[in-house]
Amino acid sequence: EVQLVESGGVVVQPGGSLRLSCAASGFTFDDYAMHWVRQAPGKGLEWVSLISWDGGSTYYADSVKGRFTISRDNSKNSLYLQMNSLRAEDTALYYCAKDTDNVSYYMDVWGKGTTVTVSS
Amino acid sequence: EIVLTQSPATLSLSPGERATLSCRASQSVSSYLAWYQQKPGQAPRLLIYDASNRATGIPARFSGSGSGTDFTLTISSLEPEDFAVYYCQQRSTGVTFGQGTRLEIK
Repeated sequence: EVQLVESGGVVVQPGGSLRLSCAASGFTFDDYAMHWVRQAPGKGLEWVSLISWDGGSTYYADSVKGRFTISRDNSKNSLYLQMNSLRAEDTALYYCAKDTDNVSYYMDVWGKGTTVTVSS
Repeated sequence: EIVLTQSPATLSLSPGERATLSCRASQSVSSYLAWYQQKPGQAPRLLIYDASNRATGIPARFSGSGSGTDFTLTISSLEPEDFAVYYCQQRSTGVTFGQGTRLEIK
């Protein structure tokens, strides 16, 4: 079964840092680009970041550029999101999602998400 | 940034009826548009990609059309499980989502 499981979401103070993880199984992880997408409480979807199959290319939404870093470890079938200088507006459910190809920018498998709350 | 505007915000229909959801882009996205379904408490599910291609396992009652700036998701005959929020997403320039259309039971 194709599965993505996110972890690492917690309550953090403004200005703090956090690292999210996503464990992938059931597919050949290093064949696909991977994404992070977030959803603020009661709001719509916001794409956050993308990493190519080999980690050689990364892309970010303007809202997180310079603060967040996406990475992957293909030997561990894992995706990560390092989040620094967190703001209240970063509060959201963070989804890990699989690209349909290598950088198609469409997402066909999603995890259940992990919740990040930025609050003092 | 390309802005996607979905209409209506809420659509109230009955099972068996036809649903037509709209997504308009602030500039041309060619055919680089997808549709997702999200049910309460669940992750989104890819329905349509490249404007008109159904994703794996998606029933034939879901269809997509359009190109350029105007796109439509049609559900030919609503099933009870189709009531959800639907998002469009473009990948022509960066990635952006529309604000969603809530499809509710009338």
